[in-house]
Amino acid sequence: GQQVMQIPQYQHVQEGEDFTTYCNSSTTLSNIQWYKQRPGGHPVFLIQLVKSGEVKKQKRLTFQFGEAKKNSSLHITATQTTDVGTYFCAGPGSADSWGKFQFGAGTQVVVTP
Amino acid sequence: SQTIHQWPATLVQPVGSPLSLECTVEGTSNPNLYWYRQAAGRGLQLLFYSVGIGQISSEVPQNLSASRPQDRQFILSSKKLLLSDSGFYLCAWTRDGVNNSPLHFGNGTRLTVT
Repeated sequence: GQQVMQIPQYQHVQEGEDFTTYCNSSTTLSNIQWYKQRPGGHPVFLIQLVKSGEVKKQKRLTFQFGEAKKNSSLHITATQTTDVGTYFCAGPGSADSWGKFQFGAGTQVVVTP
Repeated sequence: SQTIHQWPATLVQPVGSPLSLECTVEGTSNPNLYWYRQAAGRGLQLLFYSVGIGQISSEVPQNLSASRPQDRQFILSSKKLLLSDSGFYLCAWTRDGVNNSPLHFGNGTRLTVT
């Protein structure tokens, strides 16, 4: 079945540095979503990518959907302490599991001041 | 606007005791509803989802059950808790009929089984 893999699992970043987290699917995705979960909090929807090669920006966050729609990335520039948390990507369920989501395991981001 | 309420926020229960977690959604009708569990420092495990009243799909066979007695109410239950049931339980909703609709999570219930 469809699997969504996310790397790295952990990311230690010095404040001010850039980093990227990657999401890879075993199958083509109709769309991909990204969520952020702050420590002790619940996941919050960040963005959805639908088109092949799509790039969207939210301030210092840049989201990209691969041309083959099987991978995605989240790039954060000039990391701040507010970026601490776990970032999850999620793909839609397959045709026989409509309404379900396939979540990656998440990238836990720790920022060192 | 839509809101999702989940309670209680924290819960400490002894092994073998029953469980009932409740989730309600306001401001929308016929939502898809979900229960996820998250172990400490881990990813999101889908437990149940529902596309309508009385319609429950179970993803993981275990001692938990879910019910949807009303359109915007989703309940997670157990007759006898196990130590392995400890975790962070999250209720979520999406818009019905829209496969790309994002998940909106409640604040979660942190369950510790002792």
